[in-house]
Amino acid sequence: NAGVTQTPKFQVLKTGQSMTLQCAQDMNHNSMYWYRQDPGMGLRLIYYSASEGTTDKGEVPNGYNVSRLNKREFSLRLESAAPSQTSVYFCASSEGTGSSYNEQFFGPGTRLTVL
Amino acid sequence: GEDVEQSLFLSVREGDSSVINCTYTDSSSTYLYWYKQEPGAGLQLLTYIFSNMDMKQDQRLTVLLNKKDKHLSLRIADTQTGDSAIYFCAEIDVGGSYIPTFGRGTSLIVHP
Repeated sequence: NAGVTQTPKFQVLKTGQSMTLQCAQDMNHNSMYWYRQDPGMGLRLIYYSASEGTTDKGEVPNGYNVSRLNKREFSLRLESAAPSQTSVYFCASSEGTGSSYNEQFFGPGTRLTVL
Repeated sequence: GEDVEQSLFLSVREGDSSVINCTYTDSSSTYLYWYKQEPGAGLQLLTYIFSNMDMKQDQRLTVLLNKKDKHLSLRIADTQTGDSAIYFCAEIDVGGSYIPTFGRGTSLIVHP
């Protein structure tokens, strides 16, 4: 099993460009998440999908959109990138509500720089 | 809402014990976690404890939970250079959204 995979690993954008970060999991998990990690700020939740067909805003959703394409895939889109979106982005998945302790499994991250 | 606090840095000598502390605010049935993030990688679950337990031990790792003070600690015995990483405390309210709240992470530096 590959677990959680993310593409691309690195990306440099110019201000105003758009891009989509891809995430896929092969563990048949119900819930998927997008986080950003900035120095000294820890992990902040951008959006999550509790189950296929649903998405909800997290702590820092502004400037982002998401799509839960199917049970396996959850993408994050930046429509008009800004330097403040320079960060490391992590996708995660978990069994979700009803599991015993809902361990999250993380992808390797996408390092995004917006110039 | 939930809030999880932890100190940002800890430096220890190889072979010593490390103790990483965390405080949380949720008071209902809760799972509390320690995740480890190695350089350039995503987070991985190290261990977890349910709020009806006081202690959990797993090889070199000991988790202590003080429910009265809402204080969680992770002790790593015989710390090695390979333990250098960022350690995140997190909690889930079992009766709520099941979305974890993470602390900001403690950078553990192990020096010879």
